[in-house]
Amino acid sequence: NAGVTQTPKFRVLKTGQSMTLLCAQDMNHEYMYWYRQDPGMGLRLIHYSVGEGTTAKGEVPDGYNVSRLKKQNFLLGLESAAPSQTSVYFCASKGVGSPLHFGNGTRLTVT
Amino acid sequence: DQQVKQNSPSLSVQEGRISILNCDYTNSMFDYFLWYKKYPAEGPTFLISISSIKDKNEDGRFTVFLNKSAKHLSLHIVPSQPGDSAVYFCAAIIGGSNYKLTFGKGTLLTVNP
Repeated sequence: NAGVTQTPKFRVLKTGQSMTLLCAQDMNHEYMYWYRQDPGMGLRLIHYSVGEGTTAKGEVPDGYNVSRLKKQNFLLGLESAAPSQTSVYFCASKGVGSPLHFGNGTRLTVT
Repeated sequence: DQQVKQNSPSLSVQEGRISILNCDYTNSMFDYFLWYKKYPAEGPTFLISISSIKDKNEDGRFTVFLNKSAKHLSLHIVPSQPGDSAVYFCAAIIGGSNYKLTFGKGTLLTVNP
């Protein structure tokens, strides 16, 4: 039981490049979330999903897109990376009666 | 506008003593509160929670107190251990909001042997 797995763990992008962060959970959770953590800012919600095929905007959605084609996967896309998107990205999932379970994060640097 | 505030960026205590981490909130719609602990290079892990209908919840060495009138909650760790050294995040939820957590900025707790 791996829980929540994020791929990749680290990535460096140049401004304007695109990439997709993958989150996979093996707990059959309905809810999935993408957060970003910046120094002195805590964790801020980017997008979330309440079930397969659904997505919704969080607090800071601009510059990101998401997809939830399969229940166990939640993808976060950056179409044209900007230095302001340098951050640590955390995926989380939640099942009935459980708190959020977080992955170990993806550290992204945009130069 | 920060709705969940942790005004102490850091706290240092001696092993065996009590650690008290504080959190204030501004949105009276929050009705469920959680504390998460985070070690470096790891994701946050759930520690303890409290519903707004309670004023105290205890789990082993960890106790969370909620003062709704003051919009304040605190996490007490007794006795503190070096392994408790981590960043602690306070988070809050509005019921029916699809469990969207609003986090504070975190407090770095250091427990010295």
